[in-house]
Amino acid sequence: QVQLQESGPGLVKTSETLSLTCTVSGGSMSTYYWSWIRQPAGKALEWIGRIYTSGSTKYNPSLKSRVTMSVDTSKNQFSLKLTSVTAADTAVYYCARGLNNNHVPPHYYFDYWGQGTLVTVSS
Amino acid sequence: DIQMTQSPSTLSASVGDRVTITCRASQSISSWLAWYQQKPGKAPKLLIYKASSLESEVPSRFSGSGSGTEFTLTISSLQPDDFATYYCQQYDTYNTFGQGTKLEIK
Repeated sequence: QVQLQESGPGLVKTSETLSLTCTVSGGSMSTYYWSWIRQPAGKALEWIGRIYTSGSTKYNPSLKSRVTMSVDTSKNQFSLKLTSVTAADTAVYYCARGLNNNHVPPHYYFDYWGQGTLVTVSS
Repeated sequence: DIQMTQSPSTLSASVGDRVTITCRASQSISSWLAWYQQKPGKAPKLLIYKASSLESEVPSRFSGSGSGTEFTLTISSLQPDDFATYYCQQYDTYNTFGQGTKLEIK
């Protein structure tokens, strides 16, 4: 059974960098698109970006200038860095696996999710 | 950017009711649409992908339809476990979620 687990600081200071890691267990990272998705309290889900195991990335245009994602397949992990955070970045952050089913270009939905981790941005 | 609009925002229904949630895309997304169920404090759970394909182990009372810009999620006979918030997601261009529909007990 595939499992995803987010880890990282639960509190980040305003203007600093939010860093999270997702560890994947129970399956290979190959051929999947790995995403970060966030959800402020009581609000909708927002896709942040995705990374393929080749290292290829796509980011939400609204966050692109502040987001960097990386992958380490030897550790079965991928990571998120979000710079210059403000209170508006306070949210539950989920990592998720994107399943493409061999479409070109890729079209992927999210079949496995982590449990989520709350990150609070405060001065 | 493709915007996804769900309606209604809140839906009150009773066990055994048939309910339908609508999701509209701001431009055509073919059939690249998924539906998720989310319960408080939990991660979303995939129900439907490619507009009408039922995810493995999801009960058959859930069904999806539509293509282009208009889509629906139908629950044929509500069960107590179904009261939750439902999100649509387009995956044609990047990924965008709807604002959610909260399904409440009447």
